[in-house]
Amino acid sequence: GNSVTQMEGPVTLSEEAFLTINCTYTATGYPSLFWYVQYPGEGLQLLLKATKADDKGSNKGFEATYRKETTSFHLEKGSVQVSDSAVYFCALSDGGATNKLIFGTGTLLAVQP
Amino acid sequence: DTAVSQTPKYLVTQMGNDKSIKCEQNLGHDTMYWYKQDSKKFLKIMFSYNNKELIINETVPNRFSPKSPDKAHLNLHINSLELGDSAVYFCASSQDPQDPQHFGDGTRLSIL
Repeated sequence: GNSVTQMEGPVTLSEEAFLTINCTYTATGYPSLFWYVQYPGEGLQLLLKATKADDKGSNKGFEATYRKETTSFHLEKGSVQVSDSAVYFCALSDGGATNKLIFGTGTLLAVQP
Repeated sequence: DTAVSQTPKYLVTQMGNDKSIKCEQNLGHDTMYWYKQDSKKFLKIMFSYNNKELIINETVPNRFSPKSPDKAHLNLHINSLELGDSAVYFCASSQDPQDPQHFGDGTRLSIL
């Protein structure tokens, strides 16, 4: 079945450091890929998405490229801020009639001043 | 203007009780979802409705029963609550099943 694997956290960085959170997936067909972010005490917010191979999703300085050859969708940001501290979830949907979202386990990012 | 709102935000109750969580979205979306997030932050879909029709029903105990009176509302009723039901429950909506989902802020359910 479809699944998502992302690096375990917590990831602790200093402000302005480079961020990479790894995400790989297993899927049949051509899934859409997403990164969601969950700030403390809040629900999930869509951060970025990519719907086909080689697409790059970007938002708020975050980027991720849909790599079919390596089945990956790694999240990157060049310079993190304290306000980026949150839990980040990689997810896929099979794009079928139900669009069931399958999430990775989440990665806690803590950015220190 | 809250797009997807859930009530209550916190729910503390005893084992064996029956409780409901309500969800409303004002985005005009046709599809709504319920997810469960466990203590390790793992998220799993439970149910999805499209235009009031059930389209996803994962392996969830039948103590959990969703109800969609109209396409803007999807409520979750839980009978005979158990300790393992303690979690954060998230409601979400999307225009079509293929569109990104918008999440509510969650309901933290604690079973004593």
